[in-house]
Amino acid sequence: QSVLTQPPSVSAAPGQKVTISCSGSSSNIGNNYVSWYQQLPGTAPKLLIYETNKRPSGIPDRFSGSKSGTSATLGITGLQTGDEADYYCGTWDSSLSASVFGTGTKVTVL
Amino acid sequence: QVQLQESGPGLVKPSQTLSLTCTVSGGSVSSGSYYWSWIRQPAGKGLEWIGRVYTRGSTNYNPSLKSRLTVSRDTSKNQFSLKLSSVTAADTAVYYCAREREWEPTIDYWGQGTLVTVSS
Repeated sequence: QSVLTQPPSVSAAPGQKVTISCSGSSSNIGNNYVSWYQQLPGTAPKLLIYETNKRPSGIPDRFSGSKSGTSATLGITGLQTGDEADYYCGTWDSSLSASVFGTGTKVTVL
Repeated sequence: QVQLQESGPGLVKPSQTLSLTCTVSGGSVSSGSYYWSWIRQPAGKGLEWIGRVYTRGSTNYNPSLKSRLTVSRDTSKNQFSLKLSSVTAADTAVYYCAREREWEPTIDYWGQGTLVTVSS
């Protein structure tokens, strides 16, 4: 049972924008950086965003991250068919003394 | 470039101990500001963080698994391992080993994952 809540699915047409929310609490998102991971079908997750809004080398600027209070958001602009994947947020929970993941969101390109 | 590779039995009987090893290349399990971690994912479900070992040897565990879990490292082989005791069908999942940054909660490298099935 995850402590971070994400919508099960989001969808949009190619070229459009989607946002994925990640809702937590003061013991996790409220006081820690947030990371985002992309998991393409049948593969291991891949780091997409770290320190809430930074992109690793090789990740296009179509992907962005932000945070407000105890919620974080991943944005994907210029949606492409290759973006169809599951997306997870992650952070540290100081009450649990454990890393935690969001429930995951499936992105569908219509 | 850090690479991680999981290895271990793909089938474990109920009540027995699940044991996996992760071999690290391009990095060291005994130096740097990193944790070496385990994450699992049941088929069709989300990611669950299991636990980790720091380069200095300290550990953190998922509270829900802590009573059954041991994560350790072997510096001579540059490997780290997972032992989960008293397994049930609910422990069936793809198990990933990974590297976590110490200074901020990010997993920057993942293994490809290995499927472990708990069945008699």
